[in-house]
Amino acid sequence: AQSVTQLGSHVSVSEGALVLLRCNYSSSVPPYLFWYVQYPNQGLQLLLKYTTGATLVKGINGFEAEFKKSETSFHLTKPSAHMSDAAEYFCAVRNTGNQFYFGTGTSLTVIP
Amino acid sequence: NAGVMQNPRHLVRRRGQEARLRCSPMKGHSHVYWYRQLPEEGLKFMVYLQKENIIDESGMPKERFSAEFPKEGPSILRIQQVVRGDSAAYFCASSPPNRGGLNTEAFFGQGTRLTVV
Repeated sequence: AQSVTQLGSHVSVSEGALVLLRCNYSSSVPPYLFWYVQYPNQGLQLLLKYTTGATLVKGINGFEAEFKKSETSFHLTKPSAHMSDAAEYFCAVRNTGNQFYFGTGTSLTVIP
Repeated sequence: NAGVMQNPRHLVRRRGQEARLRCSPMKGHSHVYWYRQLPEEGLKFMVYLQKENIIDESGMPKERFSAEFPKEGPSILRIQQVVRGDSAAYFCASSPPNRGGLNTEAFFGQGTRLTVV
């Protein structure tokens, strides 16, 4: 069975600083991996995804993530945080049975 | 192509009433997922359905909750005899069949915020 662990339920960074949100997964087969963002009172929208091929994937709003099979990780980064990045971020994995498993989320606060 | 449509966006029910939450998936999507989100908590999986079939309902409470995805019409999440603890945001997501890495993500609706008074 798959599971997704997001280390740090709350992360605070200063505006302009590096954003690093951690995600580790457990999967017996190569998974499909996703990061979603949720703004207040909104649904989740896709930031980026990894399926196959290049392990460094770029998403919207300047975010990127790197799939590291040896570490079973898919950490999300952004070089310079903006105030508008404040939101809840969810890491997810999709298995071959078309089931999605989500982490518990990381709330990102950006300090002016 | 319209996104995943959920209605109503907000629903208020008195204790003991029934709540019906509707989800229309994106066109061409045959997979529907329901999640519950409580404040300060993540997304809790409830149920995964394909047309006319429940594939995985391991996250659904055994009593009072049911879900369907009929051949025609939206998916319905039904909560009978609601209690205050049912107050939460309920999200629906849909996805197309997995085709070798294409179209792999789930698309989410805006959610229904249920308040039980």
